[in-house]
Amino acid sequence: QKEVEQNSGPLSVPEGAIASLNCTYSDRGSQSFFWYRQYSGKSPELIMFIYSNGDKEDGRFTAQLNKASQYVSLLIRDSQPSDSATYLCAVDYGGATNKLIFGTGTLLAVQP
Amino acid sequence: DTEVTQTPKHLVMGMTNKKSLKCEQHMGHRAMYWYKQKAKKPPELMFVYSYEKLSINESVPSRFSPECPNSSLLNLHLHALQPEDSALYLCASSQDWAGGMSNQPQHFGDGTRLSIL
Repeated sequence: QKEVEQNSGPLSVPEGAIASLNCTYSDRGSQSFFWYRQYSGKSPELIMFIYSNGDKEDGRFTAQLNKASQYVSLLIRDSQPSDSATYLCAVDYGGATNKLIFGTGTLLAVQP
Repeated sequence: DTEVTQTPKHLVMGMTNKKSLKCEQHMGHRAMYWYKQKAKKPPELMFVYSYEKLSINESVPSRFSPECPNSSLLNLHLHALQPEDSALYLCASSQDWAGGMSNQPQHFGDGTRLSIL
């Protein structure tokens, strides 16, 4: 069974610190990796996506992918209270499909 | 604001009612999705349409009936729902998987919060 695992948290960090969110996946054939942010009561919002090993940076966000170790991470620099949300990791199901597998999400709490 | 528009935002219906959820996107995406999300759980895939044809049905009960009238519109027809069907229903769209190695990012609408009495 294909799985995506995340620590449910809450992950508590002080304002201005770096938040590090991690995700592991079981299918070595996965090629596409996505991070979504979801505020309570709202819909998921795409933050980052990454396809290749290494780092991908966009503003305060950096996605890191290591296919050999089957993990993907999201770093948030200079964390702000507005970053407090649940972060969902999603991985493609593999093969000729548009299907994603979502992790259960990590709740991030940024303390002022 | 998102580029995927869902209506209505809230819906309360009885178990014998028939209603429809609507989703519209104008990003030229050819893949559209319906998800169901319960509180504190990740989105759960229900249906995928690819080029207006149903490509994935995740064994969803027949009381949920999807329809894709054209490349911009996606409907979800509801009939005889149960209280456990109360949830946030999310529509998403993406560029279609086009034979390459990577899935394209999915963009979600704001959702319809459905309550079954």
